[in-house]
Amino acid sequence: GNSVTQMEGPVTLSEEAFLTINCTYTATGYPSLFWYVQYPGEGLQLLLKATKADDKGSNKGFEATYRKETTSFHLEKGSVQVSDSAVYFCALIHDSGAGSYQLTFGKGTKLSVIP
Amino acid sequence: GAGVSQTPSNKVTEKGKYVELRCDPISGHTALYWYRQSLGQGPEFLIYFQGTGAADDSGLPNDRFFAVRPEGSVSTLKIQRTERGDSAVYLCASSRDNNYEQYFGPGTRLTVT
Repeated sequence: GNSVTQMEGPVTLSEEAFLTINCTYTATGYPSLFWYVQYPGEGLQLLLKATKADDKGSNKGFEATYRKETTSFHLEKGSVQVSDSAVYFCALIHDSGAGSYQLTFGKGTKLSVIP
Repeated sequence: GAGVSQTPSNKVTEKGKYVELRCDPISGHTALYWYRQSLGQGPEFLIYFQGTGAADDSGLPNDRFFAVRPEGSVSTLKIQRTERGDSAVYLCASSRDNNYEQYFGPGTRLTVT
């Protein structure tokens, strides 16, 4: 079946540090890949996505590249801010065959950025 | 415009009771998804609606769970004979069509005592 594995948290970084959150996936075919973010007290929001191999998704200074050869979609940011403190979820979307494009999520990685 | 809304935001119920959770999708979105997020886990798919019909209910854990979307807009997730293991945050998401970006609501936190 399809699955997503992401690095365990929590991750604590100082402001302006470099961030990497690892994500690997198992899927049949060629899924689309996503990073969602959940800020404290808020709902899930799409952060970035990539729909095919070698695509790079980017938003708000975050980037992730769809690597088919390593089945990975690692999230990176060059300089984190306190406002980036949140839980980050890696996810893939696939056609279940019943016409639904359900998301399969990793367990989430909590990031805390300290001043 | 208005996003996806869910009511109630919190629900506490006793084991064995029946509960209904409501989702109001973004206007015009034909696809609607329910997910369940247990503590420390990512959301897990429950059921998908395209219009009024449940096109994929493969994620419902057992027959105590049921969902409807009678007019193709608002959806209700119904849980009978609740168990403590049903405690979780129930998330609703809608999208313009079944392969477009899903927009999530804030969730309903269900606690079964």
